[in-house]
Amino acid sequence: SAVISQKPSRDICQRGTSLTIQCQVDSQVTMMFWYRQQPGQSLTLIATANQGSEATYESGFVIDKFPISRPNLTFSTLTVSNMSPEDSSIYLCSVKGASTEAFFGQGTRLTVV
Amino acid sequence: GNSVTQMEGPVTLSEEAFLTINCTYTATGYPSLFWYVQYPGEGLQLLLKATKADDKGSNKGFEATYRKETTSFHLEKGSVQVSDSAVYFCALSYTGGGNKLTFGTGTQLKVEL
Repeated sequence: SAVISQKPSRDICQRGTSLTIQCQVDSQVTMMFWYRQQPGQSLTLIATANQGSEATYESGFVIDKFPISRPNLTFSTLTVSNMSPEDSSIYLCSVKGASTEAFFGQGTRLTVV
Repeated sequence: GNSVTQMEGPVTLSEEAFLTINCTYTATGYPSLFWYVQYPGEGLQLLLKATKADDKGSNKGFEATYRKETTSFHLEKGSVQVSDSAVYFCALSYTGGGNKLTFGTGTQLKVEL
């Protein structure tokens, strides 16, 4: 299994500002995924981040709002830009395991005020 | 498109009761199926998985069988404990879909003494 560390674990931010979330994995992985979990809801995939290429965004998510970096095989960042209260969610980083399963970080609990 | 439907919660049980959380899916091809658990304030943990029809995933007393004929992956446990209180997510992925996970809405389980 992979060990995934996310920072920060939580933050309270002012509307209009941006927050960058970091995801560090203890092994090299090709594919990393960013999910959003809005309060009381399930997880929705934001984008897939592969090293050496631009992230692939799901319907409803755009690069200007959620820019992603993937500088190497163990690290990625997700930025939530120009935040509004509707962006208050848990953001989770995920990687694919050796088989079919996925592993998740502890998540970043974001509150926008 | 792919989708996962879970029984709605919350589900409240007494300790040592039998648990069933229903999950059905719609998918193209032959997906892998998963149950993830989210304990209060934490990220997602893989509970069990099954990768082909008639496979049974099991872990910590929980079981689920991949039923292709009924497109189901119901989660069961014979005797729940207070420590099992959490939110349970059914999910699917398939290689042709870039290993992205599609989640159900989650079922909150509360176990009381």
